Amino acid sequence: DAGVIQSPRHEVTEMGQEVTLRCKPISGHNSLFWYRQTMMRGLELLIYFNNNVPIDDSGMPEDRFSAKMPNASFSTLKIQPSEPRDSAVYFCASSFLGGGRGNNEQFFGPGTRLTVL
Amino acid sequence: DQQVKQNSPSLSVQEGRISILNCDYTNSMFDYFLWYKKYPAEGPTFLISISSIKDKNEDGRFTVFLNKSAKHLSLHIVPSQPGDSAVYFCAASTDSWGKLQFGAGTQVVVTP
Repeated sequence: DAGVIQSPRHEVTEMGQEVTLRCKPISGHNSLFWYRQTMMRGLELLIYFNNNVPIDDSGMPEDRFSAKMPNASFSTLKIQPSEPRDSAVYFCASSFLGGGRGNNEQFFGPGTRLTVL
Repeated sequence: DQQVKQNSPSLSVQEGRISILNCDYTNSMFDYFLWYKKYPAEGPTFLISISSIKDKNEDGRFTVFLNKSAKHLSLHIVPSQPGDSAVYFCAASTDSWGKLQFGAGTQVVVTP
């Protein structure tokens, strides 16, 4: 079975450019999470969706960041305009949130390494 | 506000010996805890979890212990193998939506 798919794997761009990161969650999963990993802040949650609806975007650092999930099999994270301090590895993760608690296991994609010059 | 803390950035252990990774948390509302393992250039992968109603969960070479009164959990790997060399993240949840808060990670190096 395919895991979480992210594209591109690497992105190098110049300051001020728009960047779009893409994620395809595992089929059947109903929750999707976007994370950012940096040396300074570690792994931080940016936003998450349940059934394609954004639930909590309090981790999104600025208005320059936006995320969408138009359907159950696709999500984007957009940065416009990008800045050098946005350089990080961005991970997408998905999970199935059922009726009961007990398994919050999230499956992570391989990440997108973003470098903003 | 770092609610999940892994105070040891690195750990070196000999092959065959026990690896003990520690994690402390400050939010008493956390009710589910997980450990993830991460290799370079890959995403974190789920390793083992424990609910707050338990104090121990075991899966093969991996055992997680939870001490709620101390707000502390630990991961034991016995015996350690070279393939266990990775970064290990502790994570905790109090959110019914599955939102996780991660620690900073501990780099484990298993030497022959």
